[in-house]
Amino acid sequence: AQTVTQSQPEMSVQEAETVTLSCTYDTSESDYYLFWYKQPPSRQMILVIRQEAYKQQNATENRFSVNFQKAAKSFSLKISDSQLGDAAMYFCAYNVGGSRLTFGEGTQLTVNP
Amino acid sequence: GAGVSQSPSNKVTEKGKDVELRCDPISGHTALYWYRQRLGQGLEFLIYFQGNSAPDKSGLPSDRFSAERTGESVSTLTIQRTQQEDSAVYLCASSTRTSGPPYEQYFGPGTRLTVT
Repeated sequence: AQTVTQSQPEMSVQEAETVTLSCTYDTSESDYYLFWYKQPPSRQMILVIRQEAYKQQNATENRFSVNFQKAAKSFSLKISDSQLGDAAMYFCAYNVGGSRLTFGEGTQLTVNP
Repeated sequence: GAGVSQSPSNKVTEKGKDVELRCDPISGHTALYWYRQRLGQGLEFLIYFQGNSAPDKSGLPSDRFSAERTGESVSTLTIQRTQQEDSAVYLCASSTRTSGPPYEQYFGPGTRLTVT
């Protein structure tokens, strides 16, 4: 069974600084997709960034980038120039082509002014 | 355009009662998913619909849980004889199959269920 592990229940960062959230996963599939979702107190799940496993290049979306290490089954999220609005619960997730998403337990990010 | 909507936003029910949670997916989205999120935890998959058939319902935790979908639109998740451990946020997501993978899932705002 696929599993996703986020080992950091809580993280904090100073405004304008950089923070990295960790995620590891376990799968026997060779072709799959990885995602980072943000969940603010409103409960709305917002897709932050995604990575196709067959792509070697790390995905980037503005201030958000990932470090995808396929052999190590690691998928970390880097947030640069952190803003107060980045404060939320962040979930790492995995799926195989349109199937269910498997989520980690989440990392609560606090951004200090 | 309109996103995924869910109703009610919050539901408080007494132990032993039945509840129905509704999800309206994005128009044209053929795939629909239900997830459960207990307090402070990640999302757990419950069931997946493609059209009105459910090829994967392996996440339903017991036979008290059931779901149905009408065509490619509304889905209802029903919990019979609710228990306190059913208290959670129930999230619905939909996706389209007209574009290629990874078939991004768009989430609704969830229904917070509290069983007293």
